Amino acid sequence: KAGVTQTPRYLIKTRGQQVTLSCSPISGHRSVSWYQQTPGQGLQFLFEYFSETQRNKGNFPGRFSGRQFSNSRSEMNVSTLELGDSALYLCASSGGQSAYNEQFFGPGTRLTVL
Amino acid sequence: AQTVTQSQPEMSVQEAETVTLSCTYDTSENNYYLFWYKQPPSRQMILVIRQEAYKQQNATENRFSVNFQKAAKSFSLKISDSQLGDTAMYFCAFPGGNNAGNMLTFGGGTRLMVKP
Repeated sequence: KAGVTQTPRYLIKTRGQQVTLSCSPISGHRSVSWYQQTPGQGLQFLFEYFSETQRNKGNFPGRFSGRQFSNSRSEMNVSTLELGDSALYLCASSGGQSAYNEQFFGPGTRLTVL
Repeated sequence: AQTVTQSQPEMSVQEAETVTLSCTYDTSENNYYLFWYKQPPSRQMILVIRQEAYKQQNATENRFSVNFQKAAKSFSLKISDSQLGDTAMYFCAFPGGNNAGNMLTFGGGTRLMVKP
């Protein structure tokens, strides 16, 4: 089985712009979670989608949004970018409905905001 | 809310030696799982080992084992016969709870360097 893929791998944007990141889960997995990883804050949960529905959301401003398509691929969008949004964005897919199941992570998208 | 604490930001170990990474957590739940994830310099996070709280026996996966102390809410990872490929960030992770779907709460991580 192919692993979790994320595109693009690297992005450079300027403040005020918006960005869309994509995540393709492992075939058959219906859950996709997104995490933001920064040196200062560590790994923080953004949100999770399961069967096209957002099931849970972390403590992030409304500028961060996401969606999931019928093929389970997910996108996250960040509008009005700020310098503090520079981070590694990881997505994880799971075949189960709870975090007791193993989650499989993608390689991440490195976003730099100038 | 669940919290996960890793008190060792960085550690180093000589190749072939044993190292233990610490993790403590706080939860009001009784049945849960705990995880250790590894993030090598290539950045792809992988699951190292998983412990079920209702099992008294500590989990083992080849050179990796845990010391799970439920009453103390402690979950340490022991790596035996350390190899250069074990160099990575290690994260202790805790599920968000019964109604939290697949959300994981991560500790701050421990950067492990295995020296030749």
